[in-house]
Amino acid sequence: SYEVTQPPSVSVSPGQTASITCSGNKLGDKYVCWYQQKPGQSPVLFIYQDTKRPSGIPERFSGSNLGNTATLTISGTQAMDEADYYCQAWDGSTAVFGGGTKLTVL
Amino acid sequence: QVQVVQSGAEVKKPGSSVKVSCQASGGTFNTYDISWVRQAPGQGLEWMGGIIPISGTPNYAQSFQGRVTITADESTSTVYMELSSLRYEDTAVYYCARRGDYEQFDNWGQGTLVAVSA
Repeated sequence: SYEVTQPPSVSVSPGQTASITCSGNKLGDKYVCWYQQKPGQSPVLFIYQDTKRPSGIPERFSGSNLGNTATLTISGTQAMDEADYYCQAWDGSTAVFGGGTKLTVL
Repeated sequence: QVQVVQSGAEVKKPGSSVKVSCQASGGTFNTYDISWVRQAPGQGLEWMGGIIPISGTPNYAQSFQGRVTITADESTSTVYMELSSLRYEDTAVYYCARRGDYEQFDNWGQGTLVAVSA
């Protein structure tokens, strides 16, 4: 079965740029979504179709997907961005989630 | 904007079944795929399967085949997920989520905690 892999944790200082990767075989051939989840809350869609932001999502969030790696980039990271982030893609008719990355802003 | 509301928390014994509902209001629901995603305590998201209510044909993750049944009631815009032969490791929060026009899960329910305990 298809798998995508994320680093368990990423740390960033406030105001700096954070990058969270999602790796999978030929992932660039698929569309990737990114979700943010804060403790006790439901996931929220932050990026879809590799690079698109839903309305209401800050411009500091951006995505890319090339080759075997998709990347969520957060520019000018703020304390409120501290959360778990999940990438997700479709392998045929099956949705596949990465294991999640805990972003710490310190 | 679609509002999605799930049924309340459940406590079940090992070997029993649980049925969780997901009802939508305020928008188009029956023509979109509604998926179920679960999250065990401290763990990541796991897709279980989905259904397009208007078609009624479900699609299940291989790891849940034979144990999960997803159905839909178009008349009430409600999707159900039933998980049988419950094990302790099925303790999790179960979410329903709408799959939007671009394959994204763009609308999530509030989650339903299912605890499996003797």
